[in-house]
Amino acid sequence: DTEVTQTPKHLVMGMTNKKSLKCEQHMGHRAMYWYKQKAKKPPELMFVYSYEKLSINESVPSRFSPECPNSSLLNLHLHALQPEDSALYLCASSHPYGANVLTFGAGSRLTVL
Amino acid sequence: AQKVTQAQTEISVVEKEDVTLDCVYETRDTTYYLFWYKQPPSGELVFLIRRNSFDEQNEISGRYSWNFQKSTSSFNFTITASQVVDSAVYFCALRKPNTGNQFYFGTGTSLTVIP
Repeated sequence: DTEVTQTPKHLVMGMTNKKSLKCEQHMGHRAMYWYKQKAKKPPELMFVYSYEKLSINESVPSRFSPECPNSSLLNLHLHALQPEDSALYLCASSHPYGANVLTFGAGSRLTVL
Repeated sequence: AQKVTQAQTEISVVEKEDVTLDCVYETRDTTYYLFWYKQPPSGELVFLIRRNSFDEQNEISGRYSWNFQKSTSSFNFTITASQVVDSAVYFCALRKPNTGNQFYFGTGTSLTVIP
């Protein structure tokens, strides 16, 4: 079983919908990440939270809104998405500093109609 | 600027053959960390190995081995006696310490092992 749990595994939404992706870890990691991955491409960093504070926003459109309610949870709120936002969204966590390994969840596959 | 290059986009081998995946990186830093991840069709990225820039000792783990050559900025990965379960996309990545937790991924190499 993966140590980073993402829900839902699959999500289909219309362009006017509001939905959320959820991520949970219980490894005591204090850094959490959202990545977006298109087919046959590497993961692209979207957001990083360190100690529950947003530390990196890679110029992501405001229709993606991250939230870190506590050290174990990370959400990605989705609103007014475009079909080109369809992708695999990966959550990861790590200790914040040094040579820390990112532990990834299995991803949420999003389709925007 | 950091950059990770995986020149091989797709490789196919017949089961039991050995295969080497290449990774070349660019960085001006003296301290950095290199990683290999595997992404099977299920989608989850699985950590395989980490190396820091001060440790050029090569490593073997079962059928996997890694060759880190700082002089050529390469961190290559070899699978010996490949198996169908090795079919996946493999990503090389570089991380600088204290950079806000950014990982720089290569473009990935898709490995298909044919039975």
